[in-house]
Amino acid sequence: QKEVEQNSGPLSVPEGAIASLNCTYSDRVSQSFFWYRQYSGKSPELIMSIYSNGDKEDGRFTAQLNKASQYVSLLIRDSQPSDSATYLCAVKFHFGNEKLTFGTGTRLTIIP
Amino acid sequence: SAVISQKPSRDICQRGTSLTIQCQVDSQVTMMFWYRQQPGQSLTLIATANQGSEATYESGFVIDKFPISRPNLTFSTLTVSNMSPEDSSIYLCSVAGQGTYNEQFFGPGTRLTVL
Repeated sequence: QKEVEQNSGPLSVPEGAIASLNCTYSDRVSQSFFWYRQYSGKSPELIMSIYSNGDKEDGRFTAQLNKASQYVSLLIRDSQPSDSATYLCAVKFHFGNEKLTFGTGTRLTIIP
Repeated sequence: SAVISQKPSRDICQRGTSLTIQCQVDSQVTMMFWYRQQPGQSLTLIATANQGSEATYESGFVIDKFPISRPNLTFSTLTVSNMSPEDSSIYLCSVAGQGTYNEQFFGPGTRLTVL
């Protein structure tokens, strides 16, 4: 069974610091990786996607993928209180199969 | 990305009844999916809604309990049948097929409480 694992947290980070969120997955041939942000009572919002080894930057967010070690991470620079949310890691395991498998999510709290 | 709406946004239902949830997209999309998010948990895929054919269900989910329709490329329904309190959950539809890598985008969700 394909699995995606995240530390459930809560992860507390001071405002202005870097928040680092990690995710590991079980299938070495996984294709695509996504980070969603979910505010309490809201639906998940896609914030980053990454497909190749290395870093991908978008504003204050950087996704890092290491397929050999089977992990993907999300860095949030200059953390703001509005970044407080649950962050869900999702993996598309097979090319041509659009099914997403989600981790349990990491609850992030930014402390003013 | 497409604008996705769901109806109802929330409902409280009695045990043994059924509820149909609608998902409407403002543009044609190739793929639509239905997820469940139980309280305090992550998302679990129920099924892929296929246009013009039966939905593809994930392990643990059956058509009799969660019948799905997809009459066209902008609309789908999920019915939760013969409900029990264990069905209390948030039900989310998502769409994919518009981005280069078929990223999935979620509707606002339907919060269901079964008494």
